[in-house]
Amino acid sequence: TQLLEQSPQFLSIQEGENLTVYCNSSSVFSSLQWYRQEPGEGPVLLVTVVTGGEVKKLKRLTFQFGDARKDSSLHITAAQPGDTGLYLCAAASGTYKYIFGTGTRLKVLA
Amino acid sequence: GAGVSQSPSNKVTEKGKDVELRCDPISGHTALYWYRQSLGQGLEFLIYFQGNSAPDKSGLPSDRFSAERTGGSVSTLTIQRTQQEDSAVYLCASSRDRVGNTIYFGEGSWLTVV
Repeated sequence: TQLLEQSPQFLSIQEGENLTVYCNSSSVFSSLQWYRQEPGEGPVLLVTVVTGGEVKKLKRLTFQFGDARKDSSLHITAAQPGDTGLYLCAAASGTYKYIFGTGTRLKVLA
Repeated sequence: GAGVSQSPSNKVTEKGKDVELRCDPISGHTALYWYRQSLGQGLEFLIYFQGNSAPDKSGLPSDRFSAERTGGSVSTLTIQRTQQEDSAVYLCASSRDRVGNTIYFGEGSWLTVV
């Protein structure tokens, strides 16, 4: 069974701090996605990365796909309370099936 | 509607009863997924439908779980003889036909088995 391990599992930080969330696997993936989920809602896609070493930026969020396409990181600069939520990575297994990571629950305190 | 629609949003059922959860995907999306999410956890893959192809049922946890998709659109996830460990949020998602396309999720059906 392919697994995506995320770390840390929980993170509570003050507004304005920086943080990095990691998504690791022993498998190679054709693409990897990051989602954010808020309570009572389904996950919402933030970004898709497909090329080893690729870096994408979305405002204060920076996403990186590992060179070997086995891992990824999400870095948030100057976190805001609105960044609070569950962050999930997901990777394509085979041609269509997405498996999801274990999740990182982030709380940003004002 | 514009998004993935799921019903019911909340369901409380007695242990041993059967439940049906419905998903109405985005129009034109050929791929449909069911995932299960326990409280505060990641998503567990259950089943995948793609067009008229045979579904990938490899994630269904037991033979009490089944799903069908009629006419390539609406899907129903059925859980027979529910158990307390079935309590979770059941999320449906749809996408266009290939990996890399955005997966759009519904808001989920929260199932509580008492």
